[in-house]
Amino acid sequence: QQQVKQSPQSLIVQKGGISIINCAYENTAFDYFPWYQQFPGKGPALLIAIRPDVSEKKEGRFTISFNKSAKQFSLHIMDSQPGDSATYFCAASKDGTASKLTFGTGTRLQVTL
Amino acid sequence: DGGITQSPKYLFRKEGQNVTLSCEQNLNHDAMYWYRQDPGQGLRLIYYSQIVNDFQKGDIAEGYSVSREKKESFPLTVTSAQKNPTAFYLCASSRGYEQYFGPGTRLTVT
Repeated sequence: QQQVKQSPQSLIVQKGGISIINCAYENTAFDYFPWYQQFPGKGPALLIAIRPDVSEKKEGRFTISFNKSAKQFSLHIMDSQPGDSATYFCAASKDGTASKLTFGTGTRLQVTL
Repeated sequence: DGGITQSPKYLFRKEGQNVTLSCEQNLNHDAMYWYRQDPGQGLRLIYYSQIVNDFQKGDIAEGYSVSREKKESFPLTVTSAQKNPTAFYLCASSRGYEQYFGPGTRLTVT
């Protein structure tokens, strides 16, 4: 049972454009939603995370939008750059399980010149 | 330099052999985790440990074993019972909710 569904599977965006990746979850007990960035052959790196008490969090060019009623959250990358080309994973965890994360299946982002 | 180290980066084994993957952290994190990554399937949790001498099965523990004798170390053994062991293995550690990953070990079993 996949508890976190991520879309799209792949995404091509022009340099300077906005990249949007979406995730939907099923378990209403989830209360922590991070996004990870992974380059080929490397471990994932924590990019940005949100708790459900806020609807949006911004860090530089990266923004998480969170919709608790719809059980959805998304990552927006503004002014996308070729160096942003990577695979992005959303994840979720719930209180009482430390950081036991449930991951989405990933989105491969390619930013073209 | 604080961080998580995994060794080796690449590992090759023959089918039927057990193999142990190393994971060490100097972040003073209590919790450590092992994930398996396959193309198109994201990361799946194998085992996790919240304190020394204690660990729990994750979603895909069959064919794997772990130990946690020291806070800094959480080795993973891939046994011959694991039917499809070829994958990219990632170790992580955490304090609170933020989880940090090592560089991974790519295991190939032929």
